[in-house]
Amino acid sequence: KNEVEQSPQNLTAQEGEFITINCSYSVGISALHWLQQHPGGGIVSLFMLSSGKKKHGRLIATINIQEKHSSLHITASHPRDSAVYICAVRGEETSGSRLTFGEGTQLTVNP
Amino acid sequence: NAGVTQTPKFQVLKTGQSMTLQCAQDMNHNSMYWYRQDPGMGLRLIYYSASEGTTDKGEVPNGYNVSRLNKREFSLRLESAAPSQTSVYFCASSAPGHTDTQYFGPGTRLTVL
Repeated sequence: KNEVEQSPQNLTAQEGEFITINCSYSVGISALHWLQQHPGGGIVSLFMLSSGKKKHGRLIATINIQEKHSSLHITASHPRDSAVYICAVRGEETSGSRLTFGEGTQLTVNP
Repeated sequence: NAGVTQTPKFQVLKTGQSMTLQCAQDMNHNSMYWYRQDPGMGLRLIYYSASEGTTDKGEVPNGYNVSRLNKREFSLRLESAAPSQTSVYFCASSAPGHTDTQYFGPGTRLTVL
């Protein structure tokens, strides 16, 4: 069992739909990151969470430390949101800034 | 600022050939990382360098060596390439601090025949 599991693996939505991507992890963590990988391959960091909720534009990330679970929500989805969304955690026992990554969720938003 | 740069973008090697992937960052970050990304798997850490002069093995170090040449540059060397090393390689860097945000290079797509 991977330390970080994402669901679903693939998600297809229509433009305007509300989207949720889930991330569960099995170890104690000090931080959780959400990243976006564009179709061209580039990877950018979206959020870092250690508790609660963060919002940036149409993106909202939440984390429940007790349940070891995080969600990434996209409101009013748009075709330009099509990308792979990756969850990553920094374990409590991890030295430095090393992260453990989930496999990613491929999101396709159709017009 | 260019951020994190990687060269080359694409490379095809024959089994047994060697090559070095170059990575440089201009953000004055202490930590640098090399990952590989394979279909159906998450990013896996090959090696990392917490600071200039130090390197440590990650999850999948076999078949690779690294050099932290200075604070800016972190190279990854394949001494004798194998088809199992066909992958997309990403370099990343981060600054020490509470955010741990990693900044990624554009990636190198390597094929070993």
